[in-house]
Amino acid sequence: DAMVIQNPRYQVTQFGKPVTLSCSQTLNHNVMYWYQQKSSQAPKLLFHYYDKDFNNEADTPDNFQSRRPNTSFCFLDIRSPGLGDAAMYLCATSGGLARHTDTQYFGPGTRLTVL
Amino acid sequence: SQKIEQNSEALNIQEGKTATLTCNYTNYSPAYLQWYRQDPGRGPVFLLLIRENEKEKRKERLKVTFDTTLKQSLFHITASQPADSATYLCALDLGSSNTGKLIFGQGTTLQVKP
Repeated sequence: DAMVIQNPRYQVTQFGKPVTLSCSQTLNHNVMYWYQQKSSQAPKLLFHYYDKDFNNEADTPDNFQSRRPNTSFCFLDIRSPGLGDAAMYLCATSGGLARHTDTQYFGPGTRLTVL
Repeated sequence: SQKIEQNSEALNIQEGKTATLTCNYTNYSPAYLQWYRQDPGRGPVFLLLIRENEKEKRKERLKVTFDTTLKQSLFHITASQPADSATYLCALDLGSSNTGKLIFGQGTTLQVKP
């Protein structure tokens, strides 16, 4: 089945220790998104790629970086995680080709704990 | 300021009843509005999309309305079942680009009791 896969599902890191979360997709979608979601809050868009074009949200901290080496994979790097970065990180994709079909397909998320 | 508001209090209803969830927004002009379901510890799953020129959309037991004058969408689940228990998120698509960027509400948790 075509899908969005996130690894790992649970990640524990130490304060200040860099961490990388990964996302892969078999949908061959042009657009990939990274969201941060804290408990009982809305998913907050951090950035997205349209093909290789990177689009950063204005309020995304510099501590968060992303890479998309090819269509299938996208990575979220947190350079120096703080306690406030503990959250669920969601990866999503969309076709980006036709407006009326631009719904988003989400992965299961990575739960990040910062000690 | 721009806001999307969904009831933060959980909605508890009896099995078989109709659940109605509300999404209100201010200072946005969305081209589309989408509804997603999110189960605990999982990513959201798309349910329905409605365009700004559509008043109502249906899919099986689900119905969505979109009133651009009131700046409100209502999401209905008829003949609700315990399996419908989840958090439901509304999301605005401003339609300003091809990248389909969405702005999500915080969601309303629905609990359907047998």
